[in-house]
Amino acid sequence: DAKTTQPNSMESNEEEPVHLPCNHSTISGTDYIHWYRQLPSQGPEYVIHGLTSNVNNRMASLAIAEDRKSSTLILHRATLRDAAVYYCILRDAFSGTYKYIFGTGTRLKVLA
Amino acid sequence: NAGVMQNPRHLVRRRGQEARLRCSPMKGHSHVYWYRQLPEEGLKFMVYLQKENIIDESGMPKERFSAEFPKEGPSILRIQQVVRGDSAAYFCASSPSQTYSNQPQHFGDGTRLSIL
Repeated sequence: DAKTTQPNSMESNEEEPVHLPCNHSTISGTDYIHWYRQLPSQGPEYVIHGLTSNVNNRMASLAIAEDRKSSTLILHRATLRDAAVYYCILRDAFSGTYKYIFGTGTRLKVLA
Repeated sequence: NAGVMQNPRHLVRRRGQEARLRCSPMKGHSHVYWYRQLPEEGLKFMVYLQKENIIDESGMPKERFSAEFPKEGPSILRIQQVVRGDSAAYFCASSPSQTYSNQPQHFGDGTRLSIL
């Protein structure tokens, strides 16, 4: 699986949108982009995933660049409960790859 | 994280003892994965199991660690003769199948193992 690059940390004000970037310049055509977050003392929580088109769900939106070399996780209105480490992970959908390779992610701090 | 149940949440062992960590996957899920997280690090894959089969244990230490997922009951990660370096959070994840691996895995809240 290709590697991803994320900023170590970001800050956001409560109730403002947050854009969490992820670079994956060596992404392959069958790599899905998965986002997880990990709150303190909890396991990773699935947020969203996509392949080429932008995706929306109740938690967040995923914006994928046209060349797929980068993506952005968008939290529309940050709350204090969104403070977590956010992981961007690539996983090939068709090679039989199943394990996630976690990096160190982006630690999001939400300011009241 | 509702659905994948891990117990115990916290486990304390003395050096040389055995640790048994249990994981019940989400209902309808027949694939289980174990990951380990050291302090201030990301999760590292350990092993992938299906019912009664170990599919990939490439992330497991060669000695003292074993995993099983019996036909009935939870998956068990067993660590024999624990050492201080085994202190970590151990997470279990499950998925319904791996026909296409775009399906996300769902994680439990982990077992935090402390070795005295």
